[in-house]
Amino acid sequence: QTVVTQEPSFSVSPGGTVILTCGLSSGSVSTSYYPSWYQQTPGQAPRTLIYSTNTRSPGVPDRFSGSILGNKAALTIAGAQADDESDYYCVLYMSSGIWVFGGGTKLTVL
Amino acid sequence: QVQLVQSGAEVKKPGASVKVSCKASGYTFTTYGISWVRQAPGQGLEWMGCISAYNGNTKYAQKVQGRVTMTTDTSTSTAYMELRSLRSDDTAVYYCARDAVVPGARYRDYWGQGTLVTVSS
Repeated sequence: QTVVTQEPSFSVSPGGTVILTCGLSSGSVSTSYYPSWYQQTPGQAPRTLIYSTNTRSPGVPDRFSGSILGNKAALTIAGAQADDESDYYCVLYMSSGIWVFGGGTKLTVL
Repeated sequence: QVQLVQSGAEVKKPGASVKVSCKASGYTFTTYGISWVRQAPGQGLEWMGCISAYNGNTKYAQKVQGRVTMTTDTSTSTAYMELRSLRSDDTAVYYCARDAVVPGARYRDYWGQGTLVTVSS
């Protein structure tokens, strides 16, 4: 069973830049995995930020960007703001046709 | 505007079944699919499966395979997720989301508000 890995937690200062990553327990993430990123605050439904590696969902500020860095997918948040404090999830599309979520990263802005 | 509106909260006993609905509006229902994602209390997101609203083809996660059935009613633009033989660890918020498959991209963009399913004796 493939495991998708994310940092459990991360901290960033207001105005700073943070890079969250999304990897595989075995192998490298490529664009063929169509990595997507979601933001979720407590009690709310997820919000789609990035899909297919680097396409921003409509209405998402350009402070959020997606890429492949090394062997992982990455979500970069530039100029972090207080309301970026959320849980961030990545999901990867497997060749078997299923999607697998990472465990999520809890981002603190302080 | 695109909206996915889910049915209300449910309380079920272990061994029972639950059927959650997701009514879509604001787009042509049959040109997208629907994924179902759940989130147990205090836990992360878990993809359960998806269905094409165009042809009804489904794909399920191994964890729920055999207990879940996803269907659509194109006449009412509604998707359904039925989960059988409920256990306490099925207690979760269940979300539907619109899935798209286009050349060079696969993604989900709009999400329902979520439906809390509680399994308790």
